[in-house]
Amino acid sequence: QEQLQESGPGLVTPSGTLSLTCAVSGGSISSSHWWTWVRQPPGKGLEWIGEIYHSGSTNYNPSLESRLTISVDKSKNQFSLKLRSVTAADTAVYYCARGRGWFDFWGQGTLVTVSS
Amino acid sequence: EIVLTQSPATLSLSPGERATLSCRASQSVSSYLAWYQQKPGQTPRLLIYDASNRATGIPARFSGSGSGTDFALTISSLEPEDFAVYYCQQRYNWPPTFGQGTKVEIK
Repeated sequence: QEQLQESGPGLVTPSGTLSLTCAVSGGSISSSHWWTWVRQPPGKGLEWIGEIYHSGSTNYNPSLESRLTISVDKSKNQFSLKLRSVTAADTAVYYCARGRGWFDFWGQGTLVTVSS
Repeated sequence: EIVLTQSPATLSLSPGERATLSCRASQSVSSYLAWYQQKPGQTPRLLIYDASNRATGIPARFSGSGSGTDFALTISSLEPEDFAVYYCQQRYNWPPTFGQGTKVEIK
């Protein structure tokens, strides 16, 4: 059974770049699955951020696309998210998950706060 | 972007009672709808996909129905561990979108 674990800074300054990594264990990132990022602002609902396949193909939420890069590192069995020019509105718990459309395995999530 | 509207916002019920949660889409999503459960401080858990298919390991008391724009999640008899927030999500149109959630609380 696959396990996902997010890592990265918990505090990012406004206008900076939010960078997170999701390590996949118990399975290969090169399997026939897409890998996804979802976020949840404190006390609010869920927002799909984007997804990547091991080939490097990506799809992004149009609302974030201009600031977003998702990449994959097959040698480390992990994928990453970079969100540029962040504001307080980007404060959220960020989850990585497995799946395209439906998300059946999730990381525990990591809270990222945007503040000076 | 497809908007999913869940109702009610909060459902107050007692253990053993039947819960029916609604999710309405702003346009047809065919049967491409899922339901997730999220407990406080925990990760969302996939319950139902393709409107009516239970995910692996999900108890039979959870069932999903509907197609097009109107969907329902039914919990036939609430167990203490079922009190949580439930989200619907569509994947018919990109980007995938979620409803705002229904909280099922103990009455």
